[in-house]
Amino acid sequence: GAVVSQHPSRVICKSGTSVKIECRSLDFQATTMFWYRQFPKQSLMLMATSNEGSKATYEQGVEKDKFLINHASLTLSTLTVTSAHPEDSSFYICSARVGVLAGGVFYEQYFGPGTRLTVT
Amino acid sequence: AQSVTQLDSHVSVSEGTPVLLRCNYSSSYSPSLFWYVQHPNKGLQLLLKYTSAATLVKGINGFEAEFKKSETSFHLTKPSAHMSDAAEYFCVVTIPLNTGFQKLVFGTGTRLLVSP
Repeated sequence: GAVVSQHPSRVICKSGTSVKIECRSLDFQATTMFWYRQFPKQSLMLMATSNEGSKATYEQGVEKDKFLINHASLTLSTLTVTSAHPEDSSFYICSARVGVLAGGVFYEQYFGPGTRLTVT
Repeated sequence: AQSVTQLDSHVSVSEGTPVLLRCNYSSSYSPSLFWYVQHPNKGLQLLLKYTSAATLVKGINGFEAEFKKSETSFHLTKPSAHMSDAAEYFCVVTIPLNTGFQKLVFGTGTRLLVSP
C-alpha cells in the first residue's frame, strides 16, 4: 500500500515556540491530506483538511491561526503549531487520500506514523 | 448524524482464543465502515472496509467483520488471537460531504490485550 511519512516522530519544545511537522506521501501524489489530533487513550479528532494549492479547511473549534497548514506540493503538507503551550501537547497524525472526485466514491486514506509533541 | 460507538474500551483474551470487538453505528445514509488498527507509536493500518458490497468482509491478518443493518452493527472478529494482535482498534464510519468525498469519524477505540 501507499506510504505516508511524518517528520519528526517526536519533538519537545518550550512554551511559546513554534514547531513544524511534515507529512509526505512517499510513492504517490495526494491532492488532499488530513491532520488529526489524538489525546492519550482517546480517539482521533480531525483538525483540518489540507488541499494542494489552496487554503486548508479547519474543523469547528480548531484555531487556524494557531495551527498553520501548508500544502505546497502534491507530496508534502506541513502543520505548524505556533506559540505552543503545554495544552498543545498531543499526538498529531496526518493522512493522505488517494483518488479523484468520482460520483461520491470513497478513496482510501493512508495514515502516517504520527508525531508526538511535548510542550514544556 | 453519523457516529460509531465502540462498546468496550478494553478487551482481554488469551492467545489462541477468539476475538470480538464490538462496534455499533448510527447513520442517515448507507454507510461505509472501516476498522483500523494502531500499534503503539505507529500509524493506523486499515484492517478491512465495508462499502455496500458483501456484508461479510474479510480483512488482513485473519480479521473479518459482518455488517448487520438490522442491528446497526459492524463487529470485528478473529477466530484465534495472536500476541501480535495486541493493539488499539478503531471503528470508523464515513460522513458524506457535499464535495462528493467523505470524512472519517472515529470511534473511541478498543484496546485489545492478549495474554500468553
